[in-house]
Amino acid sequence: DADVTQTPRNRITKTGKRIMLECSQTKGHDRMYWYRQDPGLGLRLIYYSFDVKDINKGEISDGYSVSRQAQAKFSLSLESAIPNQTALYFCATSDSPGGQRGPYNEQFFGPGTRLTVL
Amino acid sequence: GDSVTQMEGPVTLSEEAFLTINCTYTATGYPSLFWYVQYPGEGLQLLLKATKADDKGSNKGFEATYRKETTSFHLEKGSVQVSDSAVYFCALHTGNQFYFGTGTSLTVIP
Repeated sequence: DADVTQTPRNRITKTGKRIMLECSQTKGHDRMYWYRQDPGLGLRLIYYSFDVKDINKGEISDGYSVSRQAQAKFSLSLESAIPNQTALYFCATSDSPGGQRGPYNEQFFGPGTRLTVL
Repeated sequence: GDSVTQMEGPVTLSEEAFLTINCTYTATGYPSLFWYVQYPGEGLQLLLKATKADDKGSNKGFEATYRKETTSFHLEKGSVQVSDSAVYFCALHTGNQFYFGTGTSLTVIP
């Protein structure tokens, strides 16, 4: 089974609709992240959470909100979707610095959600 | 602020050719450096990493050396295969956040 899962994998919606993308992980990591990927722009950080009570805005948080329901779950919401939010969205997790894998720990990514806003 | 700059693509090579994808970084402190690979339709996965200056990360025939003096972490492979066709991302981690390059698309033709 995949360690980081995202649902849905694909979604087509209309302008103005509310959309929620969900992410679950079984890696036991404290840290979770939401990115969007656009051609030529790489990955841009939307929000990140270092634990259930700690949520931070990333580079491009406008128009998005998040909820960390549990250590293993981190949801991204688009309150009123617009066409320029059409992108590939990735959830990622990482261990905390000083955790079992050491001070500098890589991220583990989900398979992505392709969102199209018409 | 912290950032990563990597060679723009796309890159097209013949099988068994030598690959270099350049990556330079700007960071305060002592970041860890990573190369991730994204195969079509999939998420990113770690290819290799280096956590301190002069470290060499290696995996699947790919190598990259953490060069503090030139702030670089160039990815190399001596003989690419068709199965290496993917998008490659350079990234740095400063302890709290990760910063990614824009990605370099590699296509290897038989």
